[in-house]
Amino acid sequence: AQKITQTQPGMFVQEKEAVTLDCTYDTSDPSYGLFWYKQPSSGEMIFLIYQGSYDQQNATEGRYSLNFQKARKSANLVISASQLGDSAMYFCAMRGSYGGSQGNLIFGKGTKLSVKP
Amino acid sequence: DAGITQSPRHKVTETGTPVTLRCHQTENHRYMYWYRQDPGHGLRLIHYSYGVKDTDKGEVSDGYSVSRSKTEDFLLTLESATSSQTSVYFCAISDLDSNTEAFFGQGTRLTVV
Repeated sequence: AQKITQTQPGMFVQEKEAVTLDCTYDTSDPSYGLFWYKQPSSGEMIFLIYQGSYDQQNATEGRYSLNFQKARKSANLVISASQLGDSAMYFCAMRGSYGGSQGNLIFGKGTKLSVKP
Repeated sequence: DAGITQSPRHKVTETGTPVTLRCHQTENHRYMYWYRQDPGHGLRLIHYSYGVKDTDKGEVSDGYSVSRSKTEDFLLTLESATSSQTSVYFCAISDLDSNTEAFFGQGTRLTVV
């Protein structure tokens, strides 16, 4: 069965510093995708970044990068130069492949990030 | 923005009554999902669909049923609502072929009294 684990319920970071949010996963699918979403206090789910299991390079999107370590089954999100607007819940998610879990998309419990001025 | 809408956005209902939430998409995506979000639990998958009339259970499917008679609509039914089903419900859509992200609806806040 697939599983996503986020071990940090809450984190604080100083404005303009970098922060790493941890995510480990478990799957038997040979092909899968990993995602990070942001949920601000307004409630909407905002897609941040995607990493495919066969991608050779770590994904980057602006200030967001995904530190993908396949052997360790980890997909940590790195936010550089934190801003006050980064304060939100962050969810790691995984989607299986066609033949494996029929596209099942599961989420971790989330990490609440607070950026201090 | 992806064309995905949930209705209703807010609902208060009484224990024991049936409730149906609707998710409508205009993106022609194959996969549709229903999640519930509760504090301390993140988003938990209730049911998902990988095509018309093709559905499967998620982690917390007890007390819920789904139907997908058209590509664009995915209905979630609480057969007999209980207070433990008070939650925020999210629908999401995904197109596995293009390996893109899942798009989310705005959420439905359901209160069972």
